[in-house]
Amino acid sequence: AQSVTQLDSQVPVFEEAPVELRCNYSSSVSVYLFWYVQYPNQGLQLLLKYLSGSTLVKGINGFEAEFNKSQTSFHLRKPSVHISDTAEYFCAVSDIRSGGSNYKLTFGKGTLLTVNP
Amino acid sequence: DGGITQSPKYLFRKEGQNVTLSCEQNLNHDAMYWYRQDPGQGLRLIYYSQIVNDFQKGDIAEGYSVSREKKESFPLTVTSAQKNPTAFYLCASSTGLASTGELFFGEGSRLTVL
Repeated sequence: AQSVTQLDSQVPVFEEAPVELRCNYSSSVSVYLFWYVQYPNQGLQLLLKYLSGSTLVKGINGFEAEFNKSQTSFHLRKPSVHISDTAEYFCAVSDIRSGGSNYKLTFGKGTLLTVNP
Repeated sequence: DGGITQSPKYLFRKEGQNVTLSCEQNLNHDAMYWYRQDPGQGLRLIYYSQIVNDFQKGDIAEGYSVSREKKESFPLTVTSAQKNPTAFYLCASSTGLASTGELFFGEGSRLTVL
């Protein structure tokens, strides 16, 4: 079984400051990793994903994340946030099963990022 | 544009009533999912379907039922047996076989039990 821990439930920052949202996972097999963003009363939108290759992944809206296999982490970063980045962010993992079929994502509990002026 | 449509967006129901949430997709995806979202608890999987006429229970299936008669549609019924049904419900889809697990989500349905 796999699990995802988002270490901070809330992260308040000021506009134009850098931010890091932390995510750790546990799994007995290799994984794919995802970050999703959710604006109030909306569905989830994919920010970025790590499937293989370079451990630094760039996504939409200026976000990036780094996969660290030894620390089982996939932290999300942005060098300068905007008011419009205020949202809830979810880290998710799926395991790479034989045959390449994956049917379930396991989500963390989310981190609410609040960007203040 | 392709996507996932959930309806209704907001729904109120009295205790003891069943209610059905609609989910339709035109992405030609094989797999579809229902998640429940409660504040501070993330997303929890209710049911998922990998192919038409087949579906499996997720982590919190009790009090819910689904059907998958068409590839495009995966309705969720919240029955009176669900003890705490007030929540935000999200439908999602993926390509299924050989998928990386990436999900595409609808806009959600918020159910409130009065």
